[in-house]
Amino acid sequence: GAVVSQHPSWVICKSGTSVKIECRSLDFQATTMFWYRQFPKQSLMLMATSNEGSKATYEQGVEKDKFLINHASLTLSTLTVTSAHPEDSSFYICSARDPAAGTSGSIEQFFGPGTRLTVL
Amino acid sequence: GDSVTQMEGPVTLSEEAFLTINCTYTATGYPSLFWYVQYPGEGLQLLLKATKADDKGSNKGFEATYRKETTSFHLEKGSVQVSDSAVYFCALGGGADGLTFGKGTHLIIQP
Repeated sequence: GAVVSQHPSWVICKSGTSVKIECRSLDFQATTMFWYRQFPKQSLMLMATSNEGSKATYEQGVEKDKFLINHASLTLSTLTVTSAHPEDSSFYICSARDPAAGTSGSIEQFFGPGTRLTVL
Repeated sequence: GDSVTQMEGPVTLSEEAFLTINCTYTATGYPSLFWYVQYPGEGLQLLLKATKADDKGSNKGFEATYRKETTSFHLEKGSVQVSDSAVYFCALGGGADGLTFGKGTHLIIQP
């Protein structure tokens, strides 16, 4: 089946630094990838939709200058948390669509294992 | 906007018990509905899905029926196993859009 990886699986950084998280589709080409954020005991909240070769579409309330998304190839999307602060500590999860995997209107998303970010 | 409400856990059951996890939704249009499962230390995996009213999704003994009249997509299993212990997420959307998730239900199955 379709596999999505994330790197790193966890990261600890100092306040004010930037952190890059990678999301890769390992055995399929993902025209669209999604970035979610999950707080403890909370739902996954969609942050942005990333389309290969174009600018990401951010959800309302998500700062695009803080959460930089790049989808430069069909197998890689990156999320950079710039000038991270403790309130950015969270679990970040990406997912990818495989256009060949489902019918129109109900295409499955394949999820990465997530990245735990802790900002000190 | 779209939203998903599911029962919050943890839900603790004995092995071989009957399971129901309730999920209701509000949405514009006719979204697809999904149940995802997250085992400890792993990413979300699609458990089952339904794309239109009255569709029944099923997988691994789990099933859920897309009920448009009650805007529900309750997850059921007739006899749970210890290996079913996980967090279950109800979600709607799909296609070109991201998914809207419920808060997740932590299921604990005791031997």
